[in-house]
Amino acid sequence: SQTIHQWPATLVQPVGSPLSLECTVEGTSNPNLYWYRQAAGRGLQLLFYSVGIGQISSEVPQNLSASRPQDRQFILSSKKLLLSDSGFYLCAISIGLAGNTGELFFGEGSRLTVL
Amino acid sequence: GNSVTQMEGPVTLSEEAFLTINCTYTATGYPSLFWYVQYPGEGLQLLLKATKADDKGSNKGFEATYRKETTSFHLEKGSVQVSDSAVYFCAFRFMDTGRRALTFGSGTRLQVQP
Repeated sequence: SQTIHQWPATLVQPVGSPLSLECTVEGTSNPNLYWYRQAAGRGLQLLFYSVGIGQISSEVPQNLSASRPQDRQFILSSKKLLLSDSGFYLCAISIGLAGNTGELFFGEGSRLTVL
Repeated sequence: GNSVTQMEGPVTLSEEAFLTINCTYTATGYPSLFWYVQYPGEGLQLLLKATKADDKGSNKGFEATYRKETTSFHLEKGSVQVSDSAVYFCAFRFMDTGRRALTFGSGTRLQVQP
C-alpha cells in the first residue's frame, strides 16, 4: 500500500523568509498529487494539484508555488512568507484509474506558523 | 458552483449517545461521497465512502447513506465513544479523468465526554 511522507512536521518561520515543504510517496507510481491547506478552525482548501512530472495546476492565487521534479515528489514553496500563510499543509495522492474508487490518501501534515 | 455544507460544530455528546452530523452537497451530476476523520495533530483518514445513489458506507460503527433526492450524506453512529472525538469532514468528487480532487466541507468537531 502507498505511504506518504511529509516534512518537516512542524515549522516556525519569520515573515518574509522562504519556505520549502516536501512530500514524497512510496508504494505507487504515477499518482495525482495535491497540496491542501487547513487554516485554524477552517476546512480544507485545495492549493495545487499535479497529474504528472512538471505539471502543476494552481487552484487559488496566492503567495505559494509548487513543483514536481520527480514522479513521487511534490514540493510546496514560497519566496517570502506572509502571516496568512500559517496553517496545516496536507499532501495527498489519488491513485490511477484501475481500481480507483475515488478517495484521496493523506500524509500526516506539516504545521507552519509564521511569526 | 459545486459545494459541500456541513453542520457547524463543536458537537458535544456524552459517551454512548447517538451521533448525527449533517452533510449536503450542491453539484451537477452524481459525485462520489466521502467522510474523513482527523484526530488531533494528524492528517485525514478515510472513514467511509459511497459511490452511487442509495449506497451505504460503513466503518467502525459509523454509517452514511447516499441520498440522491436530498443530495445528502449524513454521518451517524448509534453509540459514540470518547475515542471518537475528532474533526469529521464530508467531501465529494466526480469520477472524471483529470483533476480528481476532493471538495471538502468545513469540518465538524466532535467532543465526546465520559
